[in-house]
Amino acid sequence: KQEVTQIPAALSVPEGENLVLNCSFTDSAIYNLQWFRQDPGKGLTSLLLIQSSQREQTSGRLNASLDKSSGRSTLYIAASQPGDSATYLCAVTPSGGGADGLTFGKGTHLIIQP
Amino acid sequence: DGGITQSPKYLFRKEGQNVTLSCEQNLNHDAMYWYRQDPGQGLRLIYYSQIVNDFQKGDIAEGYSVSREKKESFPLTVTSAQKNPTAFYLCASNIQPQHFGDGTRLSIL
Repeated sequence: KQEVTQIPAALSVPEGENLVLNCSFTDSAIYNLQWFRQDPGKGLTSLLLIQSSQREQTSGRLNASLDKSSGRSTLYIAASQPGDSATYLCAVTPSGGGADGLTFGKGTHLIIQP
Repeated sequence: DGGITQSPKYLFRKEGQNVTLSCEQNLNHDAMYWYRQDPGQGLRLIYYSQIVNDFQKGDIAEGYSVSREKKESFPLTVTSAQKNPTAFYLCASNIQPQHFGDGTRLSIL
């Protein structure tokens, strides 16, 4: 059964720093991997989606990489801002395409200190 | 605007009571999903439906029931058999990428 692990569970850094969030998964047979952002008491917002054939995706200050063979993904946030404070969740789609749902990690709770 | 609407935002359940969480989407998506989120935990799949009048159990379906009579609607009932219902419930639609509602927080009175 696929398991997704996110490290660290929590992170607090001063504003302006670059940071890396880590995600690992046990079964490399995935269709794609997504990074989500969740604000307190809210639903999930998709940040980046990396197909299994891709190595990375970029959106603004965010860059996500994928190494499928080693079962790892990283989310790089450049020049962090207080507005980046949130919980970041990693989710993988099984190789069948995800019709039966995603498998999520427990998330990294990020605090950016002004 | 297109999106997913979950209601109510907060819900309280009394002992022995069934409660129903609403999920409506106007995105014309065939697939819909219910996830449960506990504090400090990731999302776990309760039920999913790929088409009207059809649904399947997810990883933690015990104590829950669903229906899919309309494409737009996928209500979740938390039955009295669910002994630990306190959690944040999220509804999603579409296979890829999934779109999420803003959730319903269920607590015990």
